[in-house]
Amino acid sequence: GEDVEQSLFLSVREGDSSVINCTYTDSSSTYLYWYKQEPGAGLQLLTYIFSNMDMKQDQRLTVLLNKKDKHLSLRIADTQTGDSAIYFCAENPDSSYKLIFGSGTRLLVRP
Amino acid sequence: NAGVMQNPRHLVRRRGQEARLRCSPMKGHSHVYWYRQLPEEGLKFMVYLQKENIIDESGMPKERFSAEFPKEGPSILRIQQVVRGDSAAYFCASSPLRTGQNTEAFFGQGTRLTVV
Repeated sequence: GEDVEQSLFLSVREGDSSVINCTYTDSSSTYLYWYKQEPGAGLQLLTYIFSNMDMKQDQRLTVLLNKKDKHLSLRIADTQTGDSAIYFCAENPDSSYKLIFGSGTRLLVRP
Repeated sequence: NAGVMQNPRHLVRRRGQEARLRCSPMKGHSHVYWYRQLPEEGLKFMVYLQKENIIDESGMPKERFSAEFPKEGPSILRIQQVVRGDSAAYFCASSPLRTGQNTEAFFGQGTRLTVV
């Protein structure tokens, strides 16, 4: 079935690292995505990883993919107050145009 | 190149009224997708359109909801006889090619519909 799960809430101190976790169900997904949604705004694609990769690094962002466990994580190094937002992971089963989103993890960065 | 433009940003309707949500895709994009986000939930796919064609409306309720993407003008998501359960944020995304094949979809800022 199609179900992407995330923890609902994460609170970290400014300067610490944040790790947001996600589990997905469909092993046919070609790409796995992380989106950021700031209050009252649309979704911004942060990064994505191709399913045959284990890791992808992009400046402060590191994505880890464990295909065996269908587990995806997003690590934000040196978290800033501007990183406070809701983070959604998403998959696209069978390389479909349909994105299946998790419920989002609300990240709160404390000064 | 302006991003995906949705209007209105906020829409309040009384039960039984009609809601019309507009989406202008990015320039050069002929693929449009509508998603709905209920409170405290992720986005759920509703419909995929190309110019003048509905490709996949499997995520759209069979009654009261319709979508179009005419040759000229924005894509419209229309909800007739709204009910309280229709209150949600409706997001539109567009892409130059079909997404899922190394093609990113760009999202608008959404229309937040409140039914009172």
